[in-house]
Amino acid sequence: TQLLEQSPQFLSIQEGENLTVYCNSSSVFSSLQWYRQEPGEGPVLLVTVVTGGEVKKLKRLTFQFGDARKDSSLHITAAQTGDTGLYLCAGRHNTDKLIFGTGTRLQVFP
Amino acid sequence: ETGVTQSPTHLIKTRGQQVTLRCSSQSGHNTVSWYQQALGQGPQFIFQYYREEENGRGNFPPRFSGLQFPNYSSELNVNALELDDSALYLCASSLTGWNEAFFGQGTRLTVV
Repeated sequence: TQLLEQSPQFLSIQEGENLTVYCNSSSVFSSLQWYRQEPGEGPVLLVTVVTGGEVKKLKRLTFQFGDARKDSSLHITAAQTGDTGLYLCAGRHNTDKLIFGTGTRLQVFP
Repeated sequence: ETGVTQSPTHLIKTRGQQVTLRCSSQSGHNTVSWYQQALGQGPQFIFQYYREEENGRGNFPPRFSGLQFPNYSSELNVNALELDDSALYLCASSLTGWNEAFFGQGTRLTVV
């Protein structure tokens, strides 16, 4: 059973388009993180959200934590080819152990 | 660059063999976690070590075992390799389990 489900699984868009990636669970998380992973590399932390309803912005990326702390979204405005990668959400559920989502593979074409 | 280094970067083993993967944690970090990532999927938690003791384990069989050394570097050992063990193995180090985890580049294991 996967605690964190991401959608969509794959996303292929052109430069300049907007997109949203979702991370959903039936469980409450004390905090949730978003990572980006490029081929041959480990995941790199983008942001951590800890408060229900919290919104954080990182340049063209906007992250939101659901009010009930069960879900999160990542919105990218005006995608660029450099945004290509595997996006992973990860949360801590009752323990300090990170649980990762299923992943969303984003491909941005010029 | 995170300061977490893993070796080797790639490895090919035959079914039934044993493998040892190594992780050097970032300076000052006493917690190391290991993950298995199948192609195109999210990492799955294997286990975590804190100050040389196992501190939590995911849903992996006992043939997956580990060690953490006094300098907080770590090893992941897998016995009786199976084809499904083919994956990217990631280690992450952190100050504690609750702090930000920094990942190494991973070891790509192929079992044939």
